[in-house]
Amino acid sequence: DIQLTQSPSSLSASVGDRITISCRASQTIGSFLNWYQQSPGKVPRLLIYAASNLETGVPSRFSGSGSGTDFTLTINSVQPEDLATYYCQQSYTTAWTFGQGTKVEIK
Amino acid sequence: QLVQPGAEVKKPGAAVKVSCRASGYTFSSHTITWVRQAPGQGLEWMGWISASSGNANYAQKFQGRVTMTTDTSTNTAYMELTSLTSDDTAVYYCARRTVYQVTWAQWGPKNYYYMDVWGTGTTVIVSS
Repeated sequence: DIQLTQSPSSLSASVGDRITISCRASQTIGSFLNWYQQSPGKVPRLLIYAASNLETGVPSRFSGSGSGTDFTLTINSVQPEDLATYYCQQSYTTAWTFGQGTKVEIK
Repeated sequence: QLVQPGAEVKKPGAAVKVSCRASGYTFSSHTITWVRQAPGQGLEWMGWISASSGNANYAQKFQGRVTMTTDTSTNTAYMELTSLTSDDTAVYYCARRTVYQVTWAQWGPKNYYYMDVWGTGTTVIVSS
């Protein structure tokens, strides 16, 4: 199975900061990479699909980039409601896998 | 939306069958994916089933122990997991799989799949 490694595992940011989360795949996966947000006690929510496409209704401060093996989720001007764990997920193969998650805390 | 029962409590060795009732879209037009999350852990993909054909694809980890089915008459998907152990204690989510198709000049058409609608989650507790 394709392994996805996220970094960092956790981070702390102040409101208004720009933060980036990295997701590295164990082999090339083109743009078959999605990002999800899971707020505490909540159901996961789709943010970005196909590496860089913003899901309808998701604030424009979220963006995704990358292809091949290296991907980035960026949050411009982080807000208090962005407190959550973020997961990348690949759909390149029929055996989907998730990254281990990045926990974002707000100072 | 996708609605799931709140919780199930099972004994070790038993089986659990979790339901996922869909509404607000054409059920047979999408595949249903199942994902679980153990307490304090990350997300784990279990497999998916086509609501139209009934064809299923399971993660190797669950092969032989999981069965996914759908009932198009009631717009409901099911995931049955057998031989439960305490390691199966988790929240089980169903999610709708949607496709984004792009036709590239260089590579032709590509289908990008993702989970855009998630179920409410079912907590399964395995305890003696």
